[in-house]
Amino acid sequence: RKEVEQDPGPFNVPEGATVAFNCTYSNSASQSFFWYRQDCRKEPKLLMSVYSSGNEDGRFTAQLNRASQYISLLIRDSKLSDSATYLCVVNFGGATNKLIFGTGTLLAVQP
Amino acid sequence: DAGVTQSPTHLIKTRGQQVTLRCSPKSGHDTVSWYQQALGQGPQFIFQYYEEEERQRGNFPDRFSGHQFPNYSSELNVNALLLGDSALYLCASSRWDRDFTGELFFGEGSRLTVL
Repeated sequence: RKEVEQDPGPFNVPEGATVAFNCTYSNSASQSFFWYRQDCRKEPKLLMSVYSSGNEDGRFTAQLNRASQYISLLIRDSKLSDSATYLCVVNFGGATNKLIFGTGTLLAVQP
Repeated sequence: DAGVTQSPTHLIKTRGQQVTLRCSPKSGHDTVSWYQQALGQGPQFIFQYYEEEERQRGNFPDRFSGHQFPNYSSELNVNALLLGDSALYLCASSRWDRDFTGELFFGEGSRLTVL
């Protein structure tokens, strides 16, 4: 079983759509979780952290279910500029911050 | 404020050769992590260096080794190259901090092609 699993997509959605990405992780002791974004041929960049109570940043909402070891990202009112690969990231290292990335989910927002 | 810089940006090697990739972390950062990203895959953790020591290691063979220098820069060495080592190698820097925010700063990567 992979440490962090994601549906690779691609997800093709029209502008304005709502799209949700899911992710599962194998290490129940993991304490911190993140979503990164990677544009084509660019380096990954932190999009947002994921907190136990759920958190929102504008059109983006992240949620965590520790019992199911499941993380989600919801994007509302998709924009063309949201087209990218979204990487689910789990800290497997505790204090040493060993970040493990999922395969990534490719999102293509169509005009 | 310089971000993470990596060199070389592209290189081509043949099977069995050895390669050294270099990374300078973002100013103020003391921890360097190396990742391998194959086409269509997410970055895979190779290892992490702090205070010139390897602190964490992923599931990579001993052919992959590294080093960190007193100025926090780092090298990744791969010996006995295989075709499957062809990938983008990403260096990421951060601060060794118990209040780590989760933000790794990545360089643009070194794209290695093994023929």
